[in-house]
This record gives sequence, structure tokens and C-alpha cells, in this order.
Amino acid sequence: KNEVEQSPQNLTAQEGEFITINCSYSVGISALHWLQQHPGGGIVSLFMLSSGKKKHGRLIATINIQEKHSSLHITASHPRDSAVYICAASTWGAGSYQLTFGKGTKLSVIP
Amino acid sequence: DGGITQSPKYLFRKEGQNVTLSCEQNLNHDAMYWYRQDPGQGLRLIYYSQIVNDFQKGDIAEGYSVSREKKESFPLTVTSAQKNPTAFYLCASSFWQKVDTQYFGPGTRLTVL
Repeated sequence: KNEVEQSPQNLTAQEGEFITINCSYSVGISALHWLQQHPGGGIVSLFMLSSGKKKHGRLIATINIQEKHSSLHITASHPRDSAVYICAASTWGAGSYQLTFGKGTKLSVIP
Repeated sequence: DGGITQSPKYLFRKEGQNVTLSCEQNLNHDAMYWYRQDPGQGLRLIYYSQIVNDFQKGDIAEGYSVSREKKESFPLTVTSAQKNPTAFYLCASSFWQKVDTQYFGPGTRLTVL
């Protein structure tokens, strides 16, 4: 069974700061997902990656397959970035699909 | 607009009562999923369905039941057998061939009094 660990659990930043959230997993995966959950509860998918790096606006996601580690970076953070960020690892095994979620990182960006 | 709807947003029930949570999607997705989220824990899979009239247990199916009579709908019933039903419930859907790309609904927060 895959274990997905995120750090930190909580993060408070000043507006404009560069933010990094880390995710590590225990077994080989088919893809690593970064999700954003707003205070209302709805979840939006930010990235799905299996290698290298992806960028969307101020958000950058990287993955190191050998280290079994991924990071989500937010440049020039803004109060609207305040949310819970969740990483999830997907694996295929014996014809079945498994998506394992981390516990989330609660980010608060202060003006 | 295509998307997933869950209703209601907040639901209160007395202990011992069954309650059904609604999930509807108009994305023409064949697969649908129910997850449970508790404070300080990752999402956990309750049930999923790949096609109409078929569904499979996830990691924490005990105390829950589902049906999939229509492609668009995947209601979840929280039965009185579920020992700790108070939680946030999220529904998701995807094309089965693209199971890695799941779209999530807004969630229903169930409180059992």
C-alpha cells in the first residue's frame, strides 16, 4: 500500500512570498496529482505529472521519480492562494487502480 | 455548463437514520466515485462505479450503499450501520480510460446529531 506524506501540515506566509509544499510517497506510481481545496470544500485539480516539471501561471510542480518526491511551488503568493493543497499518488496493480491521498497542507497567505 | 453537482451542501440527520447523498454529473463520464474526508486525514474511497449497474467497494465501504441506475447519477446512502457518519463527502467522476483525471463535486457536509 502506498503511503503519501505531505509537509508542512500548516503554512502561513506573507503576501508575495515564495511557497513550497512537499510530498513524498513510498512505492512506484503512474502519476502524482496536486489538488486544491478551497474553504467551501470543492476540489480542483492543479497538476498531474509523471516526470519533470509543469508550470501554470504562478504554480510550478516538480517530481523526482528516483527520490519518490514531488514539490508544489507558488511564486509571488497572494491571499487568494489560501486553500488546502493535497497531493495524491496513483498506481495501477493487478488490473486495479489506486489513488492515495496525502492529508493536505493548509496554506494561509496574509496580506 | 458541464460539471458535477452534489446536494445538499449541508445535511443534518439524527443518529440511527439512513440518509442519501445526491451526486449528478453531465460530463458524460462513465466512472463515478465517492470519497470521505475527515479532519487531518486524506480522502478515502468509499465506492466507485465504472459503468451503469456496476459498482465496487473501496477502502471504507462498511456502513454505506450505492446504486448506479443511470450514467449521470451515483447516490450514496449512509446507513445506520456506519459508526462515525459525520464527515465531508465528495463525489467525483472521470472517463474510465482516463481514471487519472477525476473531476470533483463541491461536497456535502453530513452531521449526525
